This record gives sequence, C-alpha cells and structure tokens, in this order.
Amino acid sequence: DGGITQSPKYLFRKEGQNVTLSCEQNLNHDAMYWYRQDPGQGLRLIYYSQIVNDFQKGDIAEGYSVSREKKESFPLTVTSAQKNPTAFYLCASRLTGQNTEAFFGQGTRLTVV
Amino acid sequence: KNQVEQSPQSLIILEGKNCTLQCNYTVSPFSNLRWYKQDTGRGPVSLTIMTFSENTKSNGRYTATLDADTKQSSLHITASQLSDSASYICVVSLNTGFQKLVFGTGTRLLVSP
Repeated sequence: DGGITQSPKYLFRKEGQNVTLSCEQNLNHDAMYWYRQDPGQGLRLIYYSQIVNDFQKGDIAEGYSVSREKKESFPLTVTSAQKNPTAFYLCASRLTGQNTEAFFGQGTRLTVV
Repeated sequence: KNQVEQSPQSLIILEGKNCTLQCNYTVSPFSNLRWYKQDTGRGPVSLTIMTFSENTKSNGRYTATLDADTKQSSLHITASQLSDSASYICVVSLNTGFQKLVFGTGTRLLVSP
C-alpha cells in the first residue's frame, strides 16, 4: 500500500536522552514535514524538507534535528535540549507545487518520564 | 500575524442531525484552504481543498464553503453518523515558496446516539 508510515506509535524517553522518530513514505513525494501537536493548539511546524539533502527550520526547531539522506525518509531527533518534548508528533509529505494534498502519518506520541 | 480561528471549540449533536463548523482566517498571501478530519490519536485526513476561486466543494456528506472576501469558511456535515466524531481542523496554505500550512486549533465534534 502507498502511504506514509511513522514509528513507533508510542515512545517513552528519560530526561536527558535523545530519541529518533521515524517517518517513511512511498508516495514519491519530494516535500516532507514534521509537526508537533499539543492540546488546545494547532499543529506547529518543526522542520521541513523540499528535496533530498536539504531541509529548513520551521517555527519551533530548537531542540530538534533532522536529516534527509533519502527521498523516502525524514527522521526527526528530539534532543535533550528540547525543554518540553512530551507531545504528539506528526510527519507529512506532499508533492511540491500549489494546491497539492498533504498526507499525514499516524503520529508518534512521545512521553518523557 | 497569520492566524486561523475555529468555532465552536467543541460541539455535541445527535446522530442524524446536521451541523456547521466555522473557520475565520487572517493569512496572507492566501493559496488555498483545507479541511481535515482527525480521529483521536491518529493523523489528520484531508476532506477538501479549495482555492481562491472556489466557493464550495463537497466530499460525500461533507460540504465546505469559502468566502475569500470575508476570509471565512464553513464545513457542513449532513446526516451525522457516530463515525463523524472527531476533530475537524481548518488549514490555510500560504502562497509562498514551500506553501506553508497554518493550522487552526480544531473543533471537537461528538455525535451522540
């Protein structure tokens, strides 16, 4: 099946540890995005990538890092520098260009314990 | 500041009834407006995408309207079903290089039997 897959669905991390969230798509989309969703707030953009080997900071990039070594993959690392990492993380992909639909993964819920 | 505001914050309706959700935006430059459905703990799924020139678009029992002059949109759900219980998110896309998406905080709909 074509789609966008995030793993794991649930993730627990101890304070001070880095953790990497996986996002893979087989839709042949050039653009990929990471968002964070908190209760009562709209999705906020962490990082985005429009092409392999290139990515840009979004609105809340501090404490996060990404890589885009392959078109299909856009992993997000939540570092110990992120002060409030507990949240629901969503990955999305889309074709570049106007009015293209964005497809979202099923999300990863990260909890810092 | 680019903002998308939705009302009501939450809504309870009886199964079979209709409802209308509202979205007001102050986003510029405007490219398109989208409505997404998000089930609890899952990623958003696209319902409709409307460009500046489109006034209405339907997807089954979902009908979205757009008034670009007043910067308002609505999502009308007809003959609601229990499976319609979800959050509905209004999203406006900027007409920028990477088509940034600005998310509303969503309306949480509960359809009661």
